[in-house]
Amino acid sequence: LAKTTQPISMDSYEGQEVNITCSHNNIATNDYITWYQQFPSQGPRFIIQGYKTKVTNEVASLFIPADRKSSTLSLPRVSLSDTAVYYCLVGFYRDDKIIFGKGTRLHILP
Amino acid sequence: EAQVTQNPRYLITVTGKKLTVTCSQNMNHEYMSWYRQDPGLGLRQIYYSMNVEVTDKGDVPEGYKVSRKEKRNFPLILESPSPNQTSLYFCASSSTVVDQPQHFGDGTRLSIL
Repeated sequence: LAKTTQPISMDSYEGQEVNITCSHNNIATNDYITWYQQFPSQGPRFIIQGYKTKVTNEVASLFIPADRKSSTLSLPRVSLSDTAVYYCLVGFYRDDKIIFGKGTRLHILP
Repeated sequence: EAQVTQNPRYLITVTGKKLTVTCSQNMNHEYMSWYRQDPGLGLRQIYYSMNVEVTDKGDVPEGYKVSRKEKRNFPLILESPSPNQTSLYFCASSSTVVDQPQHFGDGTRLSIL
């Protein structure tokens, strides 16, 4: 049974780089990992997506090691406005199913 | 503007009184899905739909119904709501299931007394 695991919460300081890891077992070579950000009273919002090695966009990077048992969302130089809950999601091609992690509450301190 | 629209945003009702939460998307997406969000449990999928007239159960389907008669609409129906269905509900859509990001609505907060 596929499962994703994330830390429940993390604290960091403004200007730091923050890395949030998601562990996922039983993931195939082309299954996708997607990360979302959620603020209170809003729906989750897409951050980044990929299925291998490294993906970078204007707000984050996603690292997926060769064994694909985990992935890491990297937020460079966080600010107070990055305080939110971050969810990883794995999409499985074999059965068109998706699984969300339970979310990581990130708190950025001044 | 590309969006997923849910209505109502807030609803307080009583046990057993049937209710429907509507969801509409304007992006011509094939895939639509309903989630409930509860403290400490994250987002749990209730039902999803791969296309018109195709629906399937997610992880927590008990007590809910859905329909997909048109591509843009995916209503969530609670035939006989109970207090354990008090939750925050999100509708989402995407063009494909696995490799395209989902667009979420702003949520519907349901309170069943």
